[in-house]
Amino acid sequence: DGGITQSPKYLFRKEGQNVTLSCEQNLNHDAMYWYRQDPGQGLRLIYYSQIVNDFQKGDIAEGYSVSREKKESFPLTVTSAQKNPTAFYLCATDRDRTGELFFGEGSRLTVL
Amino acid sequence: QKEVEQNSGPLSVPEGAIASLNCTYSDRGSQSFFWYRQYSGKSPELIMSIYSNGDKEDGRFTAQLNKASQYVSLLIRDSQPSDSATYLCAVNLLSNFGNEKLTFGTGTRLTIIP
Repeated sequence: DGGITQSPKYLFRKEGQNVTLSCEQNLNHDAMYWYRQDPGQGLRLIYYSQIVNDFQKGDIAEGYSVSREKKESFPLTVTSAQKNPTAFYLCATDRDRTGELFFGEGSRLTVL
Repeated sequence: QKEVEQNSGPLSVPEGAIASLNCTYSDRGSQSFFWYRQYSGKSPELIMSIYSNGDKEDGRFTAQLNKASQYVSLLIRDSQPSDSATYLCAVNLLSNFGNEKLTFGTGTRLTIIP
């Protein structure tokens, strides 16, 4: 089955620790995105990549880092520099960069 | 000023009635508009996209676009309890760099009352 797999689904982290969220897709889509969602807020773009070995900052990239070494994979690292990392993180792909996004199931990060 | 605005709700609609969800956007040059449905605790899923003025129908869902008024809406006919969710409006806005950026509203929470 084609789709987007995010892991882990739930993650607890102590303050000061870096964590990496995985996003893998087998849809053969070029564009991949990371969004953050907080309660009562819309989706905010963290980073996006339109091609392997290239990525751009979104609206709230501070405290995050990404890599795009393979078309299928776009991991997100939440660093200790991110002041308020507790959130629901969503990975998405876009077949033709039209805005018709396919989302993974999300990763819920809680900082203790 | 918010770029994509939605009434956060909650919007309560009796089962079988028409639910009407509204969205306004700031960029007159926008060309692409989307409605995503998000169940509580789940990720969003695309339910409608619309690119031209007028109505687009898909089953019980109708998207309506009025570019002159910078307004897009989603109608859900014969509302079912399974339609209870948050509906996110998304618009491709022109960024400061001249490229398009998909921007989401904060969503409208819809509750269908049996």
